[in-house]
Amino acid sequence: DIQMTQSPSSLSASVGDRVTITCRASQSTSHYLNWYQQKSGKAPKLLIYAASTLQSGVPSRFSGSGSGTDFTLTISSLQPEDFATYYCQQSSSNPYTFGQGTKLEIK
Amino acid sequence: QVQLVESGGGLVKPGGSLRLSCAASGFTFSDYYMSWIRQAPGKGLEWVSYVGSRGTTVYYADSVKGRFTISRDNAMNSLYLQMSSLRAEDTAVYYCARHSSSYFDFWGQGALVTVSP
Repeated sequence: DIQMTQSPSSLSASVGDRVTITCRASQSTSHYLNWYQQKSGKAPKLLIYAASTLQSGVPSRFSGSGSGTDFTLTISSLQPEDFATYYCQQSSSNPYTFGQGTKLEIK
Repeated sequence: QVQLVESGGGLVKPGGSLRLSCAASGFTFSDYYMSWIRQAPGKGLEWVSYVGSRGTTVYYADSVKGRFTISRDNAMNSLYLQMSSLRAEDTAVYYCARHSSSYFDFWGQGALVTVSP
């Protein structure tokens, strides 16, 4: 199975900050890497797929990059509604696996 | 608009069985693979199983293989997860999710399954 490791596990930041979350795969996933946002008590929401493609309706302050084993999710200017937990997920091979999550909190 | 609504969650004793359902609407259900994904209380996301668009292709996580069965009824626009030999570690919110290519683009609100004496 491909193991996904996110860093950091938690992060405190302020509104307006630029934030980067990293996801590393235990083996290459090519560009088959997706990012989700989950707010407390809610279902996850797709933000980015295929490493860098923004899902329809997602604000352009979110961006993704990377390929192979190393990927990043960047939020260019944090908004109050962005405080949530973020997960990466590989879809290169079965079983699909998620990172452990990064909890983004208000400083 | 796309809607996925899970039902069938509840409290069950260890070793018991439960069947989850997911009612889909707002899209052509028979065109899409579907998955179940779970989240234990306070934990991260774990993919559980998927079923192909016709129901003939299935795949399970090792943690549930041999105990859970995924199925679908395209005429009823419904997805199912039959869970048996349930364990405490199966306690989680179970989400159904639609596959679009290689990602999950729509999720249901989740159904809580609690396995406890």
